[in-house]
Amino acid sequence: EIVLTQSPATLSLSPGERATLSCRASHSVTSSYLAWYQQKPGQAPRLLIYAASSRATGIPDRFSGSGSGTDFTLTISRLEPEDFALYYCQLYGNSPLFTFGQGTKLEIK
Amino acid sequence: QVQLQESGPGLVKPSETLSLTCAVSGGSISGYYWSWIRQPPGKGLEWIGYIFFSGGTDYNPSLKSRVTISVDTSKKNFSLKLSSVTAADTAVYYCARSSLTTFTAWGQGTLVTVAS
Repeated sequence: EIVLTQSPATLSLSPGERATLSCRASHSVTSSYLAWYQQKPGQAPRLLIYAASSRATGIPDRFSGSGSGTDFTLTISRLEPEDFALYYCQLYGNSPLFTFGQGTKLEIK
Repeated sequence: QVQLQESGPGLVKPSETLSLTCAVSGGSISGYYWSWIRQPPGKGLEWIGYIFFSGGTDYNPSLKSRVTISVDTSKKNFSLKLSSVTAADTAVYYCARSSLTTFTAWGQGTLVTVAS
C-alpha cells in the first residue's frame, strides 16, 4: 500500500500570501494519477487539480500543482479569503484503488 | 451539470446493515465509475468502493468483506450496503462520480451514526 503524507498538518497564513502544500508518497507514483481537492466545513470535497498539474474546470489560475515521483506540491499563489479550507491529495491505482492523504488545514493567521 | 444526492437512515444500530442510495440527475450514469467515500467526524477521507455503470466493482480491501455496491441504471441510482456496523463506521458518507482516476462530482454527504 502506498501512503500519502501531507505536510504541514496546519498552515497559518494571511490573505495575499503564497501557500505551498506538500504531498509525499511512500513509493514513486505516476503523476497522472495524483489529484488535489479542497474541502470547506460542511461541504463535500471539490476537485482542484488532476494529473498532478492540470486545473479542473472553473478552478482559478492562482491554484497550481507540480511534482513527480514521490513529491507533489499544491501552490496557491495569492490567498483569497475563500481559500482557507482543508486540502487533500489523492492517488489512484494501488491497493486500495484510491488513497487520500490525511489533509492540510489552511487557516487564517 | 450532474448532481448526486445521498439518501438513507441517519441512525443504524450496531451489528446491523447500513444502506444508502445515491440518486444521479442532470447527467448520464453510463460511462462512469460511481463510488462511495466516507469521512468520520473530524477525520480524513476513506474510499469504500466503486461500481462501473455496467456492474463491475472494486472495494477497499479493509472493508471488502462487509461491502456491497450495486447500480440500477434504469432508476439512475446506485447503492451501498455495509454490514455488521460498529461505532467505527460512524461517518459522513459521500457518493461520487469518477471517470477513472479522480472524483469529478460529489454528493453533499449524509451523516450516518451507529448507535443503539
